[in-house]
Amino acid sequence: AQTVTQSQPEMSVQEAETVTLSCTYDTSESNYYLFWYKQPPSRQMILVIRQEAYKQQNATENRFSVNFQKAAKSFSLKISDSQLGDTAMYFCAFMKYSNQGGSEKLVFGKGTKLTVNP
Amino acid sequence: GAVVSQHPSRVICKSGTSVKIECRSLDFQATTMFWYRQFPKQSLMLMATSNEGSKATYEQGVEKDKFLINHASLTLSTLTVTSAHPEDSSFYICSAADRFHNEQFFGPGTRLTVL
Repeated sequence: AQTVTQSQPEMSVQEAETVTLSCTYDTSESNYYLFWYKQPPSRQMILVIRQEAYKQQNATENRFSVNFQKAAKSFSLKISDSQLGDTAMYFCAFMKYSNQGGSEKLVFGKGTKLTVNP
Repeated sequence: GAVVSQHPSRVICKSGTSVKIECRSLDFQATTMFWYRQFPKQSLMLMATSNEGSKATYEQGVEKDKFLINHASLTLSTLTVTSAHPEDSSFYICSAADRFHNEQFFGPGTRLTVL
């Protein structure tokens, strides 16, 4: 069974600064996907960034980037130029590759509550 | 982008009654839908996975007879909480996926309060 661990229950950062959220996972799968989701106070789950395990290049989406270390089973999220709207819960998630296409179930970490201070 | 809706957004019911929550994929065919439960300040817990036209697969510890899931079409799945009790009060979230994308699209969630 896969597990996802987020060791930082809460973090805070000043507006415009950079913050890194940690995530480690455990799996015996060789093909899989990793995700970071944001859940603001509205509780709508929003995909921030995804990484395919077979890709060595770290994924980047505007101010969001990841540091994917496959051997170490680590998948951290870096938020640059933090904005007040980044205040939310952030969940790291694992999904194994589906041979049939489509989506397998997501395994979530416990989340990190990020507060961006003005 | 892919849009998933949930109805109702919030519901209050009396103990012992049944409540149905709908999850719809608005602009794509959802071959698989997932139902999650989230308690305050906690992570999402997967309850069950449903494939269109098949019986749902429930996670360990989830009561099949209490949480009835139906996925009768490629755009609609329903979760019925039968004989609801106060401990069933929670935030229920659905997600949907098609066969082409390795990604789930989430609904906005339903807040259930059982009095």
